[in-house]
Amino acid sequence: AQKITQTQPGMFVQEKEAVTLDCTYDTSDPSYGLFWYKQPSSGEMIFLIYQGSYDQQNATEGRYSLNFQKARKSANLVISASQLGDSAMYFCAMRGADYKLSFGAGTTVTVRA
Amino acid sequence: KAGVTQTPRYLIKTRGQQVTLSCSPISGHRSVSWYQQTPGQGLQFLFEYFSETQRNKGNFPGRFSGRQFSNSRSEMNVSTLELGDSALYLCASSTGTGGWETQYFGPGTRLLVL
Repeated sequence: AQKITQTQPGMFVQEKEAVTLDCTYDTSDPSYGLFWYKQPSSGEMIFLIYQGSYDQQNATEGRYSLNFQKARKSANLVISASQLGDSAMYFCAMRGADYKLSFGAGTTVTVRA
Repeated sequence: KAGVTQTPRYLIKTRGQQVTLSCSPISGHRSVSWYQQTPGQGLQFLFEYFSETQRNKGNFPGRFSGRQFSNSRSEMNVSTLELGDSALYLCASSTGTGGWETQYFGPGTRLLVL
C-alpha cells in the first residue's frame, strides 16, 4: 500500500511569488506515477501535472513544475508567479502497482494580493 | 471535448434510504473510477470500472456498489444510507489503457444524509 504525506496543511503566498508544496510518498513498487491536482472551493479536481517514476527529467506544465527526487521519495510542486486564482486545495497523488490512485491530505494555498 | 459530468450535483437523503449517482466519462474514455471525499478521511478510492467490469476495489462495505454500461457511463449506488456517508463523491475517467494514465475528474456530487 502507498502512503502520501503532505505536511503543510495551509500556506499563504504573495501574488506573483513562487510557492513550493511538499509531498513525500512511501511505496515498495518499482514503478509508479505521481500526480498533482488542484481543488477549488467548487469541488472539482483539476489535473495539474504528472511525473513517471522512470522519467529522468522533472515535469513542467506552464507555471507548474514538479521537483522529483526519487531517492528521497519526494515530489514537490512548484507554482511560479502565483495568481489569485491559484487559491485552492492542492493534492499530491500516486498510482502504484495496484493502479489505485492514493491521495495525500492536501495543502490549502491562499494567494494574497 | 466535453469533460466528465456527474448528476445530480447535490442530494439530500435520510438515513436508511438508498441513492444512485451517475457519471458520464470523457468521450472515448473507457475507465471510470469513484472516490469519496470527507473532511475526516480525505479522498478514498471506492472502485474502478472498465468495459463494464469492476477492475479494482477499495475498502468500503458492500452497501457501496457500482456498475458501468456499454457506453462507459457509470452509476454508483449506496444502500441503507448512514450519516457517515455524507460526502463529496467524485468520479474520474481515463482511457483505461493501463499504466500511470491521468484520471480526469468531474465536478462531484455532494450528498448530505440527515
